[in-house]
Amino acid sequence: DTEVTQTPKHLVMGMTNKKSLKCEQHMGHRAMYWYKQKAKKPPELMFVYSYEKLSINESVPSRFSPECPNSSLLNLHLHALQPEDSALYLCASSRRQESYEQYFGPGTRLTVT
Amino acid sequence: DQQVKQNSPSLSVQEGRISILNCDYTNSMFDYFLWYKKYPAEGPTFLISISSIKDKNEDGRFTVFLNKSAKHLSLHIVPSQPGDSAVYFCAATVDRRGGSEKLVFGKGTKLTVNP
Repeated sequence: DTEVTQTPKHLVMGMTNKKSLKCEQHMGHRAMYWYKQKAKKPPELMFVYSYEKLSINESVPSRFSPECPNSSLLNLHLHALQPEDSALYLCASSRRQESYEQYFGPGTRLTVT
Repeated sequence: DQQVKQNSPSLSVQEGRISILNCDYTNSMFDYFLWYKKYPAEGPTFLISISSIKDKNEDGRFTVFLNKSAKHLSLHIVPSQPGDSAVYFCAATVDRRGGSEKLVFGKGTKLTVNP
């Protein structure tokens, strides 16, 4: 199984809503990542978890809150988002943080109204 | 400031011919480079990588060349197939063993292979 799954595929939320994005992998990878990708832009790193501990936070606003409940799951909790947060949110995993080949999920297309 | 640049937003080639995708970087600390392919509605898929201790890495139809002095790398696809049509991202990182690093991506080049 070389798949990273993400749910939901699409999400529309208002600025006062609270929602969560979910990511799952069963490859035994110990590093997991959240990226944000706007149209015609490259993926931008948001957070890195290594061995279930947050190791990198790229100065992401606190309205984005990551959580790693176990080595297979990664969540991104969303609260009080702005319309400019609308983007494709990609989850990725790798064998360990120092392993550069990252496996990406299909992404969640988020629209904030 | 973009540290990884893909200056061609798009490239169109005929099936069977060579596709050459280019990437330039500005950060001399980068020493590991990757290419990813992305189809619509899918996440990026790892394609091939190269360490700065090499100048060429080959995997089937895909070859990556690295010119450190020019801070330039390229991906060659030979022969190109219609299924290769996708957006190709170049990415770079610093090889810090035991430490943390992140991938820095270019903006991507959309390759279209015409039958």
